[in-house]
Amino acid sequence: EVQLVQSGAEVKKPGESLEISCKGSGYSFTSYWIGWVRQTPGKGLEWMGIINPADSDSRYNPAVQGQATMSVDKSTTTAYLQWNSLKSSDTGMYYCARQYAAATGGWDPWGQGTLVTVSS
Amino acid sequence: QSALTQPRSVSGSPGQSVTISCTGTSSDVGGYNYVSWYQQHPGKVPKLMIYGVSKRPSGVPDRFSGSKSGNTASLTISGLQAEDEADYYCCSYTGRYYVFGTGTKVTVL
Repeated sequence: EVQLVQSGAEVKKPGESLEISCKGSGYSFTSYWIGWVRQTPGKGLEWMGIINPADSDSRYNPAVQGQATMSVDKSTTTAYLQWNSLKSSDTGMYYCARQYAAATGGWDPWGQGTLVTVSS
Repeated sequence: QSALTQPRSVSGSPGQSVTISCTGTSSDVGGYNYVSWYQQHPGKVPKLMIYGVSKRPSGVPDRFSGSKSGNTASLTISGLQAEDEADYYCCSYTGRYYVFGTGTKVTVL
């Protein structure tokens, strides 16, 4: 079964750093792009960016570029999203998703989501 | 890159059809056949319903169909059922990354 399993919920203070993870299993990890999506409370979905696990080619949504950094570890088939200095506006649910099939634009499956709360 | 434009809400009675539009530009929806649609029930993970403009993943009922004309993509739900009540988001490739639509709440009357 193709699966993405994300790390657990986090509560942080403004200015702190954070790394959340997304472990892929049941498929060839380096054959499909991984994307990160943010959903803020009561709002819609917003792409953070996409990363190619084969070569770490990363493409960020310009609207959120600089807010967080994507990376992968091929040896553990895990993708990461990392913040150096969190802001309250980073509060939200973060999902990872796998490219469904090459050259189709679909994303599936999705991880179960990681809730990040940033509050003083 | 701005979010794609969707109607805030649409509604229909059971058995009816509803169509959700998704308007972008020639740099996203109009430029690529990489439009996908996602269903999200409250508190749940988004689910892929349509990819590549009009393709359905296995397991998605054929009541769901997708199309595109110019810079506007559409999702049609035929034979509306109670379990179709959810938020729906379109998504398009932009040449380097992806962008979502603003989201549409579908209400089954």
